[in-house]
Amino acid sequence: DIVMTQTPLSLSVTPGQSASMSCKSSQSLLQSDGKTYLYWYLQKPGQPPQILIYEVSNRFSGVPDRFSGSGSGTDFTLNISRVEAEDVGVYYCLQTKQLPRTFGQGTKVDIK
Amino acid sequence: EVQLVESGGGLVKPGGSLRLSCAASGFTITNAWVSWVRQFPGKGLEWVARIKSKTSGETTDYTASVKDRFTISRDDSKNTVYLQMNSLKIEDTAVYYCLGTWLDPWGQGTLVTVSS
Repeated sequence: DIVMTQTPLSLSVTPGQSASMSCKSSQSLLQSDGKTYLYWYLQKPGQPPQILIYEVSNRFSGVPDRFSGSGSGTDFTLNISRVEAEDVGVYYCLQTKQLPRTFGQGTKVDIK
Repeated sequence: EVQLVESGGGLVKPGGSLRLSCAASGFTITNAWVSWVRQFPGKGLEWVARIKSKTSGETTDYTASVKDRFTISRDDSKNTVYLQMNSLKIEDTAVYYCLGTWLDPWGQGTLVTVSS
């Protein structure tokens, strides 16, 4: 199985400042079709997860442009510029390169 | 609005069974590959199972911890996917979600509690 490791496990951010979190996979997520199947989700308190980023760096429709994803191979980063109060929650990465699909353990973001 | 709605959760004793349903509205699941994902009380997420469309062979896949205990199936005439869960264990306690694609909005899920 591909193991997804997220760091840090928690992050406290001042509104207006930026935040960055990492997701590392135990194997390359680059698929033979040239795509890299790495997703980022945000789970706000009391809600189910919602998609933010797909295929490493593509923002899903309606996701603010202060969210950006980057990386390749086994190392991926989610950046949030100008953090807002509504960004609190747990951020998860997910790989869908191979079965079983696997999630990272999550990075909890709160506001200072 | 495209939506998958989960139902069928509840409280069951260890060793018991439950059948979860995932009903589609606003679209037909005929060509959809549908997955079940669960979220444990400690908030970790785990992919559980997937079923491909009929045209893709209706192949099923499972995570190791549920193989031989859970069965995913589909009834396209009812626009519904099922998860039959047998020999339930305490560690199966979770909120269960179904998804058509990883870009789909997640529903509210259905809570399965396995406890004596």
